[in-house]
Amino acid sequence: AQSVTQLGSHVSVSEGALVLLRCNYSSSVPPYLFWYVQYPNQGLQLLLKYTTGATLVKGINGFEAEFKKSETSFHLTKPSAHMSDAAEYFCAVSYTGGFKTIFGAGTRLFVKA
Amino acid sequence: KAGVTQTPRYLIKTRGQQVTLSCSPISGHRSVSWYQQTPGQGLQFLFEYFSETQRNKGNFPGRFSGRQFSNSRSEMNVSTLELGDSALYLCASSLYGQGENNEQFFGPGTRLTVL
Repeated sequence: AQSVTQLGSHVSVSEGALVLLRCNYSSSVPPYLFWYVQYPNQGLQLLLKYTTGATLVKGINGFEAEFKKSETSFHLTKPSAHMSDAAEYFCAVSYTGGFKTIFGAGTRLFVKA
Repeated sequence: KAGVTQTPRYLIKTRGQQVTLSCSPISGHRSVSWYQQTPGQGLQFLFEYFSETQRNKGNFPGRFSGRQFSNSRSEMNVSTLELGDSALYLCASSLYGQGENNEQFFGPGTRLTVL
């Protein structure tokens, strides 16, 4: 069975600091991995996704994530946090032949001035 | 292209009433999924409709139901409302449906408050 674990329900960083949001997945077949972001009072929007090929995936707003099969991880990073990055971030997994996308519990990112 | 639209955006109901929420997907998308989002439970999958057929269902009681019309618009109904049904209800559309490497496009949600 597929599952997603996001470590840390809340992460706080200072403006300009590195952002690291952790995501580990469990899948018996090659996964497709996603990061979505939800700004206050809005729906989710796709930040980036991993399908096949290059393991380092670049997304919008300067975010990137690296697929590490050996660690079953897909952590999201951004070199320098901006106040506008404050939001909730969701990691998600799906797979070939499946008709379901499984979302993690979410990590709320706080950015301090 | 217009995004996913949900109506109404805000709704206040009392216990025991029923409610219907509406979702219009992106033009050409055949899949509509519904999610319930609460602070305590996070994002929980309700069901997915693809070309008017329910393709997948989450673990919610039968009070929660949905349907999809031939133009792909979808409605979700909750009968006999309970206080615990207060939540943000999100709708997401997709060209090919959930799963695989398909991106879902989310609407802004309907905030339901049950008093």
